[in-house]
Amino acid sequence: GQNIDQPTEMTATEGAIVQINCTYQTSGFNGLFWYQQHAGEAPTFLSYNVLDGLEEKGRFSSFLSRSKGYSYLLLKELQMKDSASYLCAVMDSNYQLIWGAGTKLIIKP
Amino acid sequence: DAMVIQNPRYQVTQFGKPVTLSCSQTLNHNVMYWYQQKSSQAPKLLFHYYDKDFNNEADTPDNFQSRRPNTSFCFLDIRSPGLGDAAMYLCATSRTSGGSYNEQFFGPGTRLTVL
Repeated sequence: GQNIDQPTEMTATEGAIVQINCTYQTSGFNGLFWYQQHAGEAPTFLSYNVLDGLEEKGRFSSFLSRSKGYSYLLLKELQMKDSASYLCAVMDSNYQLIWGAGTKLIIKP
Repeated sequence: DAMVIQNPRYQVTQFGKPVTLSCSQTLNHNVMYWYQQKSSQAPKLLFHYYDKDFNNEADTPDNFQSRRPNTSFCFLDIRSPGLGDAAMYLCATSRTSGGSYNEQFFGPGTRLTVL
């Protein structure tokens, strides 16, 4: 079966760095997406990785290792507004997105 | 701004009373999706349209139907809502290029309450 695993909840301090991990097992791979979702709102696109390595976008970076079926989202200089759920999703061989349940990130002052 | 619009944002219906949710997009994307998302769960794909081709997920209940009359609009019909259908319904769009799919853009969602 297809499976995406990520921690249910994480807590971090304002101004710090946090890394949210995602491991996946899917039938085929056409890229991995990270989305941010604030409570009661729709997901918004953060990043896309299809090749191994690190993609940096401002305070957010995303890393992929296809051989390990592993990705992480790194958030630097955390702000209170970063409190949200972070969803990892993999596009499989049928170009369908397989979604993780999301990691709820709680930022404390 | 180009966007995905969902109406209404909040919908309350009675148990068993049909309801229709709507989605429109100004992005001119050829693929449209309907997801159901319950609290603290991953979005669950119900349907998607690749241009006019309709694709129904195997585990989508028969109670759910969809229509896409043109590129810009897509509707989700719930024929007889049950208490278990209370959820956020998300519409998303994407475009294909060279046979591959790009990221999905989401509308704000419709939160459905069933009384």
